[in-house]
Amino acid sequence: AQKITQTQPGMFVQEKEAVTLDCTYDTSDPSYGLFWYKQPSSGEMIFLIYQGSYDQQNATEGRYSLNFQKARKSANLVISASQLGDSAMYFCAMRERNNQGGKLIFGQGTELSVKP
Amino acid sequence: NAGVTQTPKFQVLKTGQSMTLQCAQDMNHNSMYWYRQDPGMGLRLIYYSASEGTTDKGEVPNGYNVSRLNKREFSLRLESAAPSQTSVYFCASSVSVLREEDEQYFGPGTRLTVT
Repeated sequence: AQKITQTQPGMFVQEKEAVTLDCTYDTSDPSYGLFWYKQPSSGEMIFLIYQGSYDQQNATEGRYSLNFQKARKSANLVISASQLGDSAMYFCAMRERNNQGGKLIFGQGTELSVKP
Repeated sequence: NAGVTQTPKFQVLKTGQSMTLQCAQDMNHNSMYWYRQDPGMGLRLIYYSASEGTTDKGEVPNGYNVSRLNKREFSLRLESAAPSQTSVYFCASSVSVLREEDEQYFGPGTRLTVT
């Protein structure tokens, strides 16, 4: 079974508008972390935001916020005021405390295109 | 502060050839990782090193070996390359494997093609 599911292969958004990228996860570990990474066309993986399973508040980092709904096992990324430079692949990932090696489990990604 | 560096950036191999991908980090991190990224997929863990002197298999270790040369360096070796190993390879590091909140910092990637 997929541990991280990103159901939107591609998304379009108009510049300056907000956009939500979906991510659902599956784990039985009570302690886990959720991450979002950005991968521009140049290929590097850029860390955006982190949410811990015990965090009471949704994480925010500048224009990025994470809409964490623990009961629904979802961790959607919200980008406010989209910019042309936000065009990239976005990956949701999870790290479980009891997963040996602390590996990140990645979703398949969502390709975001920002239109001028 | 270079972060995580990888060499080479690009490589083309013929089937059966061997090569070593190099990775180094200057953040004094204990843990290092090798991932591969195939088209349409997220990254998958090949091997990891929780700390200097230890290495363990990840999700897709077949056809690879690793060496944690010291705290800074973690290399990935393909002994006999196969076309199925055509991929983009990422090295990453983090403070520890033990804390789920530790983000992983990624290198720029190596694009490998096996013909």
